[in-house]
Amino acid sequence: QVQLVQSGAEVKKPGASVRVSCKASGYTFTDYYMHWVRQAPGQGLEWMGRINPNSGGTNYAQNFQGRVTMTRDTSITTAYIELSRLRSDDTAVYYCTNPGAGSWFDSWGQGTLVTVSS
Amino acid sequence: QSALTQPASVSGSPGQSITISCTGTSSDVGSYNLVSWYQQHPGKAPKLMIYEGSKRPSGVSNRFSGSRSGNTASLTLSGLQAEDEANYYCCSYAGTSTWVFGGGTKLTVL
Repeated sequence: QVQLVQSGAEVKKPGASVRVSCKASGYTFTDYYMHWVRQAPGQGLEWMGRINPNSGGTNYAQNFQGRVTMTRDTSITTAYIELSRLRSDDTAVYYCTNPGAGSWFDSWGQGTLVTVSS
Repeated sequence: QSALTQPASVSGSPGQSITISCTGTSSDVGSYNLVSWYQQHPGKAPKLMIYEGSKRPSGVSNRFSGSRSGNTASLTLSGLQAEDEANYYCCSYAGTSTWVFGGGTKLTVL
């Protein structure tokens, strides 16, 4: 079965960058896009973007254009999201999620808490 | 891209039915039959409950159903149970390889 295992919690200062990883297993990594979704404390889900693990092509939500970079390493079936110029309102749980062949998200990582604080 | 609009909260007694609405625009919900619904318990990752507007993944109770009319999608839960108490989110494909979520609805089982 599909399994997505994310890296551990991070604490960063404003203005810094953070990179979160998502290790995929149980399927062919290059067959399906990987999406990233975040959730600020007590708030709703926010779609951030996706990466095609085969080509490396990306689509980002307008809100994050210029600050987010999604990459992957096919040799270790791992996707990454990097967010730069961090602000306090970037404090959130970041999830990777795999839609399989569809446009819905049926597999999720466990989430990674990123805290931005001076 | 603005978030889809959901009521902040709904409630119902055990055994009753409730419906959660999700209102978008002609650019997202109204254009694509690609609305999905997610259940999220506190501290947990979201769980897919409905996809393509009305389809249930394997293992999801048939007490959950979905529909769409125009720019509004709906999730109906029948025969409410205590375990249904959670936050629920809708999501729609919004064109040009983007997706948008709703703001979420807290379901309270009285």
